[in-house]
Amino acid sequence: AQSVTQLGSHVSVSEGALVLLRCNYSSSVPPYLFWYVQYPNQGLQLLLKYTTGATLVKGINGFEAEFKKSETSFHLTKPSAHMSDAAEYFCAVSDRTGGFKTIFGAGTRLFVKA
Amino acid sequence: NAGVTQTPKFRVLKTGQSMTLLCAQDMNHEYMYWYRQDPGMGLRLIHYSVGEGTTAKGEVPDGYNVSRLKKQNFLLGLESAAPSQTSVYFCASSSMIGYTFGSGTRLTVV
Repeated sequence: AQSVTQLGSHVSVSEGALVLLRCNYSSSVPPYLFWYVQYPNQGLQLLLKYTTGATLVKGINGFEAEFKKSETSFHLTKPSAHMSDAAEYFCAVSDRTGGFKTIFGAGTRLFVKA
Repeated sequence: NAGVTQTPKFRVLKTGQSMTLLCAQDMNHEYMYWYRQDPGMGLRLIHYSVGEGTTAKGEVPDGYNVSRLKKQNFLLGLESAAPSQTSVYFCASSSMIGYTFGSGTRLTVV
């Protein structure tokens, strides 16, 4: 069975500081991994995804994530936070059949202080 | 714009009333889903469909029914609304990799 754990339901950073949102997964098969972002009163949007190949994945808005198989992690980072990054972020994992077997984490709300 | 469209965006129901939420996608995706989102509980899968004419139960299916008569549409029905069904409902569709979500329906049952 697959599972996703996001460490920290809330993360607060200052504008210009590093953003680090943690995600660990459990999967018995090589996974597909995703990060989604949800802005207030909106649906989730795909931020980035890892399927195969390069383990460092770049997404929209300057975010990136690195797949580390040995650590079963897929942490999301951004070198310099912007006020517009304030949102909720969801990590997700699926097996390689994709689709309905995608499991979402509980989410991490990012606050950005001026 | 291509994507997933949900209607209505807001609704207030009285306990015991029924309603249907409509989801439409124009990306020719096979898979479609209904989730509910509640504070502190993330996304919970209600029902899903792997193709036209097929539906299956997700994590929290009780009190809901669904239909997928056309590939592009996925309907979520509440037969007798209860206050516990107050939530934000999201529809999504997916290809093999990655989901596209609608903007949500905020439902309040009083």
